[in-house]
Amino acid sequence: DGGITQSPKYLFRKEGQNVTLSCEQNLNHDAMYWYRQDPGQGLRLIYYSQIVNDFQKGDIAEGYSVSREKKESFPLTVTSAQKNPTAFYLCASSIVQSAEQYFGPGTRLTVT
Amino acid sequence: KQEVTQIPAALSVPEGENLVLNCSFTDSAIYNLQWFRQDPGKGLTSLLLIQSSQREQTSGRLNASLDKSSGRSTLYIAASQPGDSATYLCAVRPEGGSEKLVFGKGTKLTVNP
Repeated sequence: DGGITQSPKYLFRKEGQNVTLSCEQNLNHDAMYWYRQDPGQGLRLIYYSQIVNDFQKGDIAEGYSVSREKKESFPLTVTSAQKNPTAFYLCASSIVQSAEQYFGPGTRLTVT
Repeated sequence: KQEVTQIPAALSVPEGENLVLNCSFTDSAIYNLQWFRQDPGKGLTSLLLIQSSQREQTSGRLNASLDKSSGRSTLYIAASQPGDSATYLCAVRPEGGSEKLVFGKGTKLTVNP
C-alpha cells in the first residue's frame, strides 16, 4: 500500500525540550511538505523540500528545523525556540512541486 | 497576497440533499485549485484537483468547478449522505511555480440522517 505515514499520532513534551516528528512516504514523490494546523486557522506551511538534501523555509519556519537525507523521509524537529508548539502537524508529498498534494494522518503535539 | 475564503464556516443539511460549498480567492493568477476533506483528528484526503485551464472536475457524486477570472470555485455534492460529514478545505497554488498551497479555513458539513 502506497502512502504517507506519520509517527507518533500523539506526542507530549515538556516545555524546553526538542522533539522530532517523523514523516515517511513510499509514493516515490520528490516534493515533501510540513504544515501546521491550529483551530480556526488555515494550514500554514513550515518547510518544504523539492529534492533530497535541499529544503526551503515556508511562512512559519522559526523554531523548526528539517532534514531531507533520503527521498522517503522528511523529519521535522520542533525546537525549544518555537514559542507556541502545541498544534496538529501534517506532512504532505507530491510527485513534483506543482502537482496534487497527498497528506499523512498527522501528529498532534502537546507541549506543557 | 493571496487569500482564500470559504463560506459558510458550517453547514447542516438533511440526508439526500444536493449541496454546494463555496471557495473564493483574491488573486486569479493561480496554477491549480485542490479540494480536500478532513475528518476530525485526521489528515487531509484529496478529493479533486482542477488545473487553471480546466472548468470542472468530477469524481463520483462530487463535482468541482472553477471560474478563475472571478476567483471562485464550488464543490457540488449530490445526494448527500451522513458519511459525507467532515470539514471541506479548498487550497490554491499561485502561479509562478510557487511552492505553497494557500488554504481556506474550511466548511464544516454535517449531514443529518
